[in-house]
Order: sequence, then structure tokens, then C-alpha cells
Amino acid sequence: DTAVSQTPKYLVTQMGNDKSIKCEQNLGHDTMYWYKQDSKKFLKIMFSYNNKELIINETVPNRFSPKSPDKAHLNLHINSLELGDSAVYFCASSQADNYGYTFGSGTRLTVV
Amino acid sequence: KNEVEQSPQNLTAQEGEFITINCSYSVGISALHWLQQHPGGGIVSLFMLSSGKKKHGRLIATINIQEKHSSLHITASHPRDSAVYICAVVIPNRGGADGLTFGKGTHLIIQP
Repeated sequence: DTAVSQTPKYLVTQMGNDKSIKCEQNLGHDTMYWYKQDSKKFLKIMFSYNNKELIINETVPNRFSPKSPDKAHLNLHINSLELGDSAVYFCASSQADNYGYTFGSGTRLTVV
Repeated sequence: KNEVEQSPQNLTAQEGEFITINCSYSVGISALHWLQQHPGGGIVSLFMLSSGKKKHGRLIATINIQEKHSSLHITASHPRDSAVYICAVVIPNRGGADGLTFGKGTHLIIQP
């Protein structure tokens, strides 16, 4: 069983559309995250979510919104997609003390 | 200036060579991770360190908290070690579960 699974793996969409990326973890971890990897392969935190507490990186546009229906899921919704949103998005999870950090396989988003 | 600096950015070596990748950080941290990203894109956590040294197979990671420096060593390197190695830190007191802060990665190529 995949520990952190995210879908879809690839997403191609037009500017202005709204899209979602799903993430699920079956590790029983307390904390989930969304990271963005830009075209230069640099990773940056977008959100972390722990026990219903959401922490947002202040540089993330409010077009991005995470939704967590339960402890095992943290989905990413993106409204009004822009060309600059093209990147690889990684979901991850960890225990509360950062042990067991596990990444999903990534979603390559291309906005055309 | 990035809070986490890695060197070298790129490294090409022959199979069997001893490899060292360095990571320096400028802030107080509670933990440091070494991550591996293969050409296919997936990210794997190799080590989490808060002090001392850890070893797993041919990989060794060390950290010196006073000097704010960590190294990742690969002994008897093999072409399958070719990947991007990323240093990432946990910075406490930024509010809750706020994720990792990353270096820009070291692109390692091991030639047969």
C-alpha cells in the first residue's frame, strides 16, 4: 500500500480554471503538508495542517486553499489558475515530532 | 540569502569514489533532514538528525549543531546513487507544524 498517495500524477489545464489535487496518507501521521517545487527544482512549504490547525506560508496566494476532511486527507484546491502556478506539487506527512517524513510522488501541474 | 546552503551544487564522480555533500544553515534548528530525489521525481527521506551521526548502509550523515553544519557521505558510490540530494531543516518557534526549509539541492552523477 502506498503510504502517501496523491492524485492526479499529471494535470494539464487552461488558465482561469479551478482544479484540485487529492492527498491521502495511511501512516497515522499527525501532520500533513503541501510543498511546491518550481521549475528550478527548489522546494518550498505552502501549508501544514496538524490537529485542525492550519499554518499558511504568507507567500502563498489566497487562490490556493487546503481542505482536510479528516486526519488522513489534505486536498489542495486552486482557483483561477495562472501560468506561474505550473510546478510540481508534493504532499507529505510526518509524526508530530517530524519523524517518519514521507512524501507523495508529486503532481505535475501545467497551466496553458 | 537562503537560510540553508548546500555545496557543491553539482558533482560528477566515478563509481567507487567517496562522496561528501555539505549543508550549512544560518538559523537555529530542531532537526535536519537529508532527502533524495531521483530523476523520476519522487522524494525519499534518508535521515533525520538532531545531533551526532547516523549510518544506513553506504550512507552516513553527520551534524554539528554548534557549527550549524551537516554532511552527507556516500561510500563506494554506485551509478544508482545518481540523484539530487536535498538538505532541509526544521526551524522551531515559527508557529506550529510549519514544515521544512530546503537547500537548493546537490545534483550528483556517478559514472560507471
